Amino acid sequence: KAGVTQTPRYLIKTRGQQVTLSCSPISGHRSVSWYQQTPGQGLQFLFEYFSETQRNKGNFPGRFSGRQFSNSRSEMNVSTLELGDSALYLCASSLGLQGSEQYFGPGTRLTVT
Amino acid sequence: QQQVKQSPQSLIVQKGGISIINCAYENTAFDYFPWYQQFPGKGPALLIAIRPDVSEKKEGRFTISFNKSAKQFSLHIMDSQPGDSATYFCAARKRDERSGAGSYQLTFGKGTKLSVIP
Repeated sequence: KAGVTQTPRYLIKTRGQQVTLSCSPISGHRSVSWYQQTPGQGLQFLFEYFSETQRNKGNFPGRFSGRQFSNSRSEMNVSTLELGDSALYLCASSLGLQGSEQYFGPGTRLTVT
Repeated sequence: QQQVKQSPQSLIVQKGGISIINCAYENTAFDYFPWYQQFPGKGPALLIAIRPDVSEKKEGRFTISFNKSAKQFSLHIMDSQPGDSATYFCAARKRDERSGAGSYQLTFGKGTKLSVIP
């Protein structure tokens, strides 16, 4: 069974731009969660989508948004990029809501210059 | 406010030794405590998990010890091997009341970088 895939793997953007990251969950998984990982803050929860609905949201500004499609694939968007948005963005999928076992993708490394 | 405190930040262990990583939490609403292992360039992978009604869980060389009264839990890696060198994250899950039934949120510790030297 294929794992969680994330595209692109690496991205360089400049301040003020916007970016869209993509995540394809494991086949059959309906929940997709997004996390931001930085050396200073560790893994921080962004939001979770289940059956195309945002079910849960972390403490991030409104510049961070996401959506989920009917095939469970998810996209995350960050608008008006700031230098502090440089991070590894991880997507995790699970059969049910976040409470069940999560499988992480390899992440997208975003660098904002 | 850090809800899950993990220590140490880094750990060096001799091959064959025991690696011990500790986590502490304050919120008694947490009901599930997983540990994740992350290798460079990869996403975290679930290693082992425990619920608070159990004091210990063992899977191969990995053991979680859980002390509910002290609100602490730890990961022990027996017979540590160089291939165990990775970053380990503890996490805790609680129901997210804001989001309705069945919604949970995982809170992660800041990670421990383990290096096992030959």
